[in-house]
Amino acid sequence: SQKIEQNSEALNIQEGKTATLTCNYTNYSPAYLQWYRQDPGRGPVFLLLIRENEKEKRKERLKVTFDTTLKQSLFHITASQPADSATYLCALVLYSSASKIIFGSGTRLSIRP
Amino acid sequence: EAGVVQSPRYKIIEKKQPVAFWCNPISGHNTLYWYLQNLGQGPELLIRYENEEAVDDSQLPKDRFSAERLKGVDSTLKIQPAELGDSAVYLCASSPGGQGSGANVLTFGAGSRLTVL
Repeated sequence: SQKIEQNSEALNIQEGKTATLTCNYTNYSPAYLQWYRQDPGRGPVFLLLIRENEKEKRKERLKVTFDTTLKQSLFHITASQPADSATYLCALVLYSSASKIIFGSGTRLSIRP
Repeated sequence: EAGVVQSPRYKIIEKKQPVAFWCNPISGHNTLYWYLQNLGQGPELLIRYENEEAVDDSQLPKDRFSAERLKGVDSTLKIQPAELGDSAVYLCASSPGGQGSGANVLTFGAGSRLTVL
């Protein structure tokens, strides 16, 4: 069956540390993988995307890796801040159906001061 | 730029009543999506439009849900009759479409929260 799995438990870390979120998928062939941030009561907001032929992408304190052999993406926030507390969603953009975008269930991240 | 505009933000209805949600996407975005999001879950695709054509409605429960995007701009999602299990947030998103990785970057509205009593 096709699945996208993110950290099932909420992630709580100390301010200043690096937060690492995982996204694993099975039986999908994504062209791209995207990461979104969602705050309570709001729609998701796009953060970063990474193509299947890219290993790593960076944007300010954010870093995304993509391993198509492991079928896994890691999302890192370095020097984390309480303002980074939110739910983070990974999304696959599929080859098989152009523009079809499938979301994981999200990981809730809390950064404590 | 107003972003993706959705209305109403909140709706409370009794079961078996109809309800409609409206979405106005980013100007110039050809692709429009309706997603459903339950608490603690990721968005689940209901329907995707390329201009006025519904190109993926495989997850839309067609016995009670319908959608339209008549002029390829704004869109309406309707539920009739609503059931208790339809309580969720209905998210609209749009993307530029076309080619390239940016074509599929979604801009979401704030969502319409439906409560069915």
